[in-house]
Amino acid sequence: DQQVKQNSPSLSVQEGRISILNCDYTNSMFDYFLWYKKYPAEGPTFLISISSIKDKNEDGRFTVFLNKSAKHLSLHIVPSQPGDSAVYFCAASAKTNFGNEKLTFGTGTRLTIIP
Amino acid sequence: NAGVTQTPKFQVLKTGQSMTLQCAQDMNHEYMSWYRQDPGMGLRLIHYSVGAGITDQGEVPNGYNVSRSTTEDFPLRLLSAAPSQTSVYFCASSYATPGLIEKLFFGSGTQLSVL
Repeated sequence: DQQVKQNSPSLSVQEGRISILNCDYTNSMFDYFLWYKKYPAEGPTFLISISSIKDKNEDGRFTVFLNKSAKHLSLHIVPSQPGDSAVYFCAASAKTNFGNEKLTFGTGTRLTIIP
Repeated sequence: NAGVTQTPKFQVLKTGQSMTLQCAQDMNHEYMSWYRQDPGMGLRLIHYSVGAGITDQGEVPNGYNVSRSTTEDFPLRLLSAAPSQTSVYFCASSYATPGLIEKLFFGSGTQLSVL
């Protein structure tokens, strides 16, 4: 049972345009969400996060939107650059007695920026 | 600044062999974890630790053992390798503030093939 779903395995976007990556989740207990970026032969690197008490978080060219009623979040990259070509993973966690110690990842979306 | 160091980078095993994947971090992180990445499955949590002497199971713990005798090291042991354990393995660490595991720092991965 995939609790975090990224339904688009791949996405191609023209350089300079907006890239929108989507993520859906099924577990209503998730209260913290993150996006990671992964280049080939490297480990994932943290990009941006959002708490369930917010519906938007911005960091430079990257903005994450959270729609709790739809159990949906999205990552917007504006403007898209060739260096953004990578696999993007959405991740979520739920608070336990200790804290949000378990991250559940989606299957990833491969973003290709076309020069 | 080494961050999270995984060794080896590549390993080929025969079915039934045992081995230990090493992971070390120099950031004094309390939280450490192991993930495996398989095509179409995203990253799945194997085991994690919230501090020295404390470990717990993740989503796919069967066939793997861990221990955490120091803050810096979190080795992953395969006692009797099986072809189903062919995967890319990532170690990750994080600060553990009360109530929230913040962003994970990943190692560069170990590509394991079991024949």
